[in-house]
Amino acid sequence: EVQLLQSGGGSVQPGGSLRLSCAASGFTFSNYAMGWVRQAPGKGLEWVSTISDGGRRTYYTDSVQARFTISRDDSKNTLDLQMNSLRAEDTAVYYCAKEGAPHSGGGYIDHWGQGTLVTVSS
Amino acid sequence: DIQMTQSPSSLSASVGDRVTVTCRASQGINNHLAWYQQKPGKLPNLLIYGASTLQSGVPSRFSGSGSGTDFTLTISSLQPEDVATYYCQKYDGAPLTFGGGTKVEIK
Repeated sequence: EVQLLQSGGGSVQPGGSLRLSCAASGFTFSNYAMGWVRQAPGKGLEWVSTISDGGRRTYYTDSVQARFTISRDDSKNTLDLQMNSLRAEDTAVYYCAKEGAPHSGGGYIDHWGQGTLVTVSS
Repeated sequence: DIQMTQSPSSLSASVGDRVTVTCRASQGINNHLAWYQQKPGKLPNLLIYGASTLQSGVPSRFSGSGSGTDFTLTISSLQPEDVATYYCQKYDGAPLTFGGGTKVEIK
């Protein structure tokens, strides 16, 4: 059974930093691209970032480029999102996401983490 | 960047009705289109990928069609448990943009 267990998140002041982590199990982690999707309170889904299987390619939505860094450790089956220079508009529930097809480099999402709330407020 | 536009933003239909949700891409994306269902307070759930391939375990009343720029999600007979917000997502390449969502309610 695929499991994506998220940790991290919480409340931070504008300009601060947070790190999100996602521990994966139940599938061959190294074969799949992974990513992060967020959902602001009462709003729709927003793709944030994807890292390819193998970790050679990373992609970001424009609004987080140069502030967020996605990384993976295939030896530990973990995915991280380092978030710096946080803004009020980054407030959202962040979901860890597993791509549906192996070696896809970024595609549809077939499993989601439980979500973790990030609140950026003074 | 390619924009994904869903319509309508919300709809209300009776149990048993045929419901159609549309997603339009601002440029062609071949068939790299997925549909998700998100029930209130729950995680999103993959319904369809490749524009028309039903994910395992999804009821057959859900179907998808389209290619290029115009796509459709159809619920052939709306059930009470289908109350949710539905999202399309393109995945032909980054950014993996979601549509704005369609909220489906029972009349």
